[in-house]
Amino acid sequence: NAGVTQTPKFRILKIGQSMTLQCTQDMNHNYMYWYRQDPGMGLKLIYYSVGAGITDKGEVPNGYNVSRSTTEDFPLRLELAAPSQTSVYFCASRPRADTQYFGPGTRLTVL
Amino acid sequence: GESVGLHLPTLSVQEGDNSIINCAYSNSASDYFIWYKQESGKGPQFIIDIRSNMDKRQGQRVTVLLNKTVKHLSLQIAATQPGDSAVYFCAENRGNTPLVFGKGTRLSVIA
Repeated sequence: NAGVTQTPKFRILKIGQSMTLQCTQDMNHNYMYWYRQDPGMGLKLIYYSVGAGITDKGEVPNGYNVSRSTTEDFPLRLELAAPSQTSVYFCASRPRADTQYFGPGTRLTVL
Repeated sequence: GESVGLHLPTLSVQEGDNSIINCAYSNSASDYFIWYKQESGKGPQFIIDIRSNMDKRQGQRVTVLLNKTVKHLSLQIAATQPGDSAVYFCAENRGNTPLVFGKGTRLSVIA
């Protein structure tokens, strides 16, 4: 199994641009999550999904959108990038009531 | 409000010594706890977990202790090595809700 994969690894955006961060897991996990981690800080939950077709807001959802059309994929969309969205984004998945497995992260800079 | 937190933001230990990283939680309904290790530039990596029906669990060089009376969780690392230098996060789980992460403790190993 490849586990949780994220693309791209790095990206620089201009203010107002949009992009989609991709996340795929091959472990058939029901639950998937998106976090952001600012420098020297902890993880903040953006959105999560308990299964295909179901998504919920986390702690910091403003400025982001998600969709979950399949079990494997959980893309995160930034519509109008702002400097405050400069961060490292981690996707994670887990089976029911068990540990979470994290992807390697996407480092995003908005200038 | 309910939270998971850490007593110490940074910890420096001599190589070969034992390390103890602490974590406090406030919700007695939490039934699952996890420790993650995050090395620089990488995603959090699962270290060890413990369920609320246990007091202690051991892995390779790591031990997690759970004291439900005082709502305290600790991670002990035996014979700390330079490769143990990282940020360590505790997380709690309440059923199928998203994990709640603590702020993290940076462990620095002095050679």
